[in-house]
Amino acid sequence: GAGVSQSPSNKVTEKGKDVELRCDPISGHTALYWYRQSLGQGLEFLIYFQGNSAPDKSGLPSDRFSAERTGGSVSTLTIQRTQQEDSAVYLCASSSGLAAQYFGAGTRLSVL
Amino acid sequence: AQKVTQAQTEISVVEKEDVTLDCVYETRDTTYYLFWYKQPPSGELVFLIRRNSFDEQNEISGRYSWNFQKSTSSFNFTITASQVVDSAVYFCALSEGRAGANSKLTFGKGITLSVRP
Repeated sequence: GAGVSQSPSNKVTEKGKDVELRCDPISGHTALYWYRQSLGQGLEFLIYFQGNSAPDKSGLPSDRFSAERTGGSVSTLTIQRTQQEDSAVYLCASSSGLAAQYFGAGTRLSVL
Repeated sequence: AQKVTQAQTEISVVEKEDVTLDCVYETRDTTYYLFWYKQPPSGELVFLIRRNSFDEQNEISGRYSWNFQKSTSSFNFTITASQVVDSAVYFCALSEGRAGANSKLTFGKGITLSVRP
């Protein structure tokens, strides 16, 4: 596709449920990033995939958060046992070489 | 540790005024990249510019210009003759190291710009 695609655009879930958020990067981009945007914390880095290298998970806030990238393309961010503080917009970005990161429209997660 | 400070939180101007958005950064690396992104009300982050630490040349793109000064660790953004469509949240960001643009971004808190007709 022309840009980074994220689905769903909105997700409402109940506390304690698991959720999966999907990111489809720009074709050919080798790097993929997840960020979280919330009112209190601003824009925070979560995890970064680069080619076949081990991902940089240094931004994941707890072990309830995990992500995988299959076939070097699509990525899924999974949040287990969601909590109300997980409510935020989850943004995915991709880049290639030394180019800038291009962002998707995000998934707005609401945990009730 | 890297840090980006956008001290201004909200700016309101009248259309056609010039406005400067400030960005101050901290890093221990000698190689780094600086960015500006725009987030309009639709929510999607739009890339505006990337500058590496070895290039202090100022840049102009239409009504937008950027002033990078390593001596003051600043990377300020000026909009000339602002328009209502410039209303958005503007983020300054930093990435460190030789991987440069291909590594995680540290964002400032953002500046909400409102341009009134």
